[in-house]
Amino acid sequence: DAGVIQSPRHEVTEMGQEVTLRCKPISGHDYLFWYRQTMMRGLELLIYFNNNVPIDDSGMPEDRFSAKMPNASFSTLKIQPSEPRDSAVYFCASTDSPGDTIYFGEGSWLTVV
Amino acid sequence: AQKVTQAQTEISVVEKEDVTLDCVYETRDTTYYLFWYKQPPSGELVFLIRRNSFDEQNEISGRYSWNFQKSTSSFNFTITASQVVDSAVYFCALSEFGYQKVTFGIGTKLQVIP
Repeated sequence: DAGVIQSPRHEVTEMGQEVTLRCKPISGHDYLFWYRQTMMRGLELLIYFNNNVPIDDSGMPEDRFSAKMPNASFSTLKIQPSEPRDSAVYFCASTDSPGDTIYFGEGSWLTVV
Repeated sequence: AQKVTQAQTEISVVEKEDVTLDCVYETRDTTYYLFWYKQPPSGELVFLIRRNSFDEQNEISGRYSWNFQKSTSSFNFTITASQVVDSAVYFCALSEFGYQKVTFGIGTKLQVIP
């Protein structure tokens, strides 16, 4: 079975540009998560969806960040405009029920210069 | 609020030594789930184990073993006869029942020296 698929794997962009990260969860998983990993803050949950509906976005750092899940097999995390402090690894993850194992994608490594 | 503490930020061992990674958690729930993940240098997060709060049996999987003690709120991870391929960052995590957020510890970086 295919795991969680993220794209792009690596992105380098200039400050001020829009960045869109994409995720395809494991088929049949009703929960999708976006995490950010930095050296300073470790792994932080940004937002999660249940059945395509955003449930908790309290971890989204500011209005420059937005996430959507138009259908059960696709989600985006958008940063507009991007700033150097957004440089991090962004992980998408999914699971099929509360408390069950969360499976992570390989991450999108974002560098904003 | 849930919290996970991994007090060891970095550990170095010589190959074939045993090593234990500590994890202490805080939660007000009686039902919760604990996890360990491995992040090798390539960067992906690899699931290792999930344990629910009602199952205090220790688990062994090959060279890996986990010791869950509710009395001390700990869920420690031991690697026996460590190998260079075990070099990675290991994360302990906690999820409370009915609350889908998973809180991760800061991670323990393990270096196994040949």
